[in-house]
Amino acid sequence: QSALTQEASVSGTVGQKVTLSCTGNTNNIGTYAVAWYQQISHGAPKTVIFGNSLPSGIPDRFSGSKSGTTASLTISGLQPEDEADYYCSTWDNSIGAHVFGTGTKVTVL
Amino acid sequence: QVQLQQWGAGLLKPSETLSLTCAVYGGSFNGYYWSWIRQPPGKGLEWIAEINHRGSTNYNPSLKSRVSISVETSKKQFSLKLSSVTAADTAVYYCARVLNYSSSPYFDYWGQGTLVTVSS
Repeated sequence: QSALTQEASVSGTVGQKVTLSCTGNTNNIGTYAVAWYQQISHGAPKTVIFGNSLPSGIPDRFSGSKSGTTASLTISGLQPEDEADYYCSTWDNSIGAHVFGTGTKVTVL
Repeated sequence: QVQLQQWGAGLLKPSETLSLTCAVYGGSFNGYYWSWIRQPPGKGLEWIAEINHRGSTNYNPSLKSRVSISVETSKKQFSLKLSSVTAADTAVYYCARVLNYSSSPYFDYWGQGTLVTVSS
């Protein structure tokens, strides 16, 4: 049972802004920064955001934010290559474990 | 550039023990936690366990009774063993490096993944 809840799917057209959400509680998102991972065609996940910082090589159309126990990933200016599954993750201090979200499939129409 | 290369048996029978190893190339091995994560076919990611160069460990409570993680710092390798496997353990298994960002850990480098199938 995932500790973090995400939308099952989100879609948008090229150039559109889309926002994915990740909801947890005070033991995880409420306390720790959230990372977001992109998984294209079931390949190895790739980090696109940690906290509100972009790893080297990630386009700046990706941005992250957090409010209380909900984190968000925004893609400003959706591109065809952004079509992928996206997972959020953070630490949960109530169980002493990393936890992942349920995953969101982003479709570019 | 840090690279993680993993290997292990890809086909197991029920009740056997899964064994995977991950080698780290480039970058420091010390000072990080090293994790195993899995993904059943068509499903999401599940964290399994992690270990640092000193052998300190953390486990997913739901798998802890069947999991053993070990490290060989001199070889920059860490390994996973999962005992008494069933079909539910069929998954792609990934190794990953854990980086701390403002006291919040996340996975910054990932291995290529190994598909492990459990079938009689």
